[in-house]
Amino acid sequence: GAVVSQHPSWVICKSGTSVKIECRSLDFQATTMFWYRQFPKKSLMLMATSNEGSKATYEQGVEKDKFLINHASLTLSTLTVTSAHPEDSSFYICSAGKLAGVADTQYFGPGTRLTVL
Amino acid sequence: AQKVTQAQTEISVVEKEDVTLDCVYETRDTTYYLFWYKQPPSGELVFLIRRNSFDEQNEISGRYSWNFQKSTSSFNFTITASQVVDSAVYFCALSLSGGYQKVTFGTGTKLQVIP
Repeated sequence: GAVVSQHPSWVICKSGTSVKIECRSLDFQATTMFWYRQFPKKSLMLMATSNEGSKATYEQGVEKDKFLINHASLTLSTLTVTSAHPEDSSFYICSAGKLAGVADTQYFGPGTRLTVL
Repeated sequence: AQKVTQAQTEISVVEKEDVTLDCVYETRDTTYYLFWYKQPPSGELVFLIRRNSFDEQNEISGRYSWNFQKSTSSFNFTITASQVVDSAVYFCALSLSGGYQKVTFGTGTKLQVIP
């Protein structure tokens, strides 16, 4: 099946620094990718929809200036957490949509665990 | 807007028991897709099943079975003869498409299978 990778799988950073997380579709092109956030023992909440070649669409309550999303190619989307703070510590999961008519499927990456000290 | 409700927060069963995880969904759209995912402690989501709104046929895959009932907006998941490896958080989810629209997740049910 299709594979979506994320890099890094985990990252620890100091408060105030920026962290970039990459999401790649390895064997298919994805015009649309999604970024989700999951707090401990909580569900996944959509942060934004990333469209190749255009601006991302953010969900209500998500700061677009803090969570910068770039979808520069059909296989790569990046999420940059700017000026990270401890409350940004979370598990970030991306997904990519593979279009195949009735077999359209969304594939999830393995997630990136961010810890901000 | 879509909503997925998983009323069971945590369930504990003894190994070999059967267990059913409940899922109730809400949507005004007539075309939608329902999913179940397993999330082990590692965090990676494991896809279990996808069902579109036009296919109410129940499905069985090994020890797993799913009961989709549009009349009650439910998509329940049963594990037969549970095993310790089944211990995980299970998410029911809904999307208006199979691949290019967002997925709305339920709050998850943590299943603990006790040896």
